[in-house]
Parts: sequence; C-alpha cells; structure tokens
Amino acid sequence: NAGVTQTPKFQVLKTGQSMTLQCAQDMNHEYMSWYRQDPGMGLRLIHYSVGAGITDQGEVPNGYNVSRSTTEDFPLRLLSAAPSQTSVYFCASSYIGTSSVDTQYFGPGTRLTVL
Amino acid sequence: KQEVTQIPAALSVPEGENLVLNCSFTDSAIYNLQWFRQDPGKGLTSLLLIQSSQREQTSGRLNASLDKSSGRSTLYIAASQPGDSATYLCAVKGATDKLIFGTGTRLQVFP
Repeated sequence: NAGVTQTPKFQVLKTGQSMTLQCAQDMNHEYMSWYRQDPGMGLRLIHYSVGAGITDQGEVPNGYNVSRSTTEDFPLRLLSAAPSQTSVYFCASSYIGTSSVDTQYFGPGTRLTVL
Repeated sequence: KQEVTQIPAALSVPEGENLVLNCSFTDSAIYNLQWFRQDPGKGLTSLLLIQSSQREQTSGRLNASLDKSSGRSTLYIAASQPGDSATYLCAVKGATDKLIFGTGTRLQVFP
C-alpha cells in the first residue's frame, strides 16, 4: 500500500492564482479530510468527506473547494490564492465510526507559499 | 465547542529520562483519542489510539492513558532517546468523525 499520497510537495503561487492540491489513498477509506497547519495554531480542519459524492465544511473552509468523485481521491482547490493561505496542507484518511481500526493516516504534506 | 490543550508547549530533557506529556479536552463526549508524532518537515504518524471505553494503551516504551470524565490524557515515554525528539500531538474524535487537534508539545532529548 502507498498509503496517503499528496502532490505537489512544494508550491509557490502568486496572489490570485488558482491551483489544485491532489490527495489519494489506496486503503479504501470512507473518510478523507484536509487540514492546514500554521505555527502556534495546530492543525485545523478545512473540508472533509465521508464517502464519494459527500463533502462538508470544517473549521476554516473559506477560499477552498473540494469534491469527492471516487473513494480514492479528494482534491483541494484554491480558487484565488491569498497570502493568508500560505501554510502546510495535510490530507488524511480513515475508516468511519468507532471501531478500533479508525486510526487516521496522514500524507506527507504540501508546503504552499502565496506571494 | 471541543478545545484541546497540550502542556508543556516545549520540553528539553537529557537522554534516559522518563517523561510525561499532557493533553486536556473540554468535551468528554469523545469516541477516541489519538497521539501522533510529527518530525520536522514531515507528516503525522499515529502512535497510539485509545477508545473511549479504554483506560490506556501501550506500544513499546510508550504508554497513553485516558481519563474521559476529567478530560485528560497523558503520554508516558520511558527511557527517552535522542530519536524521540519530535513534536507530539494529541487529537480527539467526537460524534462527527472530525479530529480536533491540540497545538502539540515539542520534545528535544539531548545525549
């Protein structure tokens, strides 16, 4: 298993540009999510999905869009990048529910700088 | 709204010491609590997961306890080593399947 993969690893954007951060998992997990990590603020949930075709907002959704057309993929779109979106972005996946196998698996992260 | 706090924010200890990292949460209605390790510039690696019905979990030199009623968890690291240097994060999962993270404890173990 490759686990959770993210591309790209690094990205520099200019204000106003758009881009898509890719996330894929090969563990057949229902639950996928996107977090951003900023110094002193921990990880904050942006959007999440409990299955193909189902997405919902997290704590900091403004400026980001997601879709979930397949179980495996959960891309995050920045519509018009702003310097406040400079951060490290992590994708995670897990099974749903209260079972003992619902450990969250994280990707290696994408480091985004918006100038 | 669930809030997760980790104390201390940073810790520096000599090799060989036993140490305790603390995590507290405001809403005791959780499904589970996870401890993660994050190395600089890397993603998160799950260390231990404690279900709400459990009191502790152990893996090697790591032991995590959970007291749901008081909203506390501790991560005990025995005989610390320089390779344990990393940031340790706790996260709680509630009924919505969302994980709420603390801001982490940055640990440095020096030889």
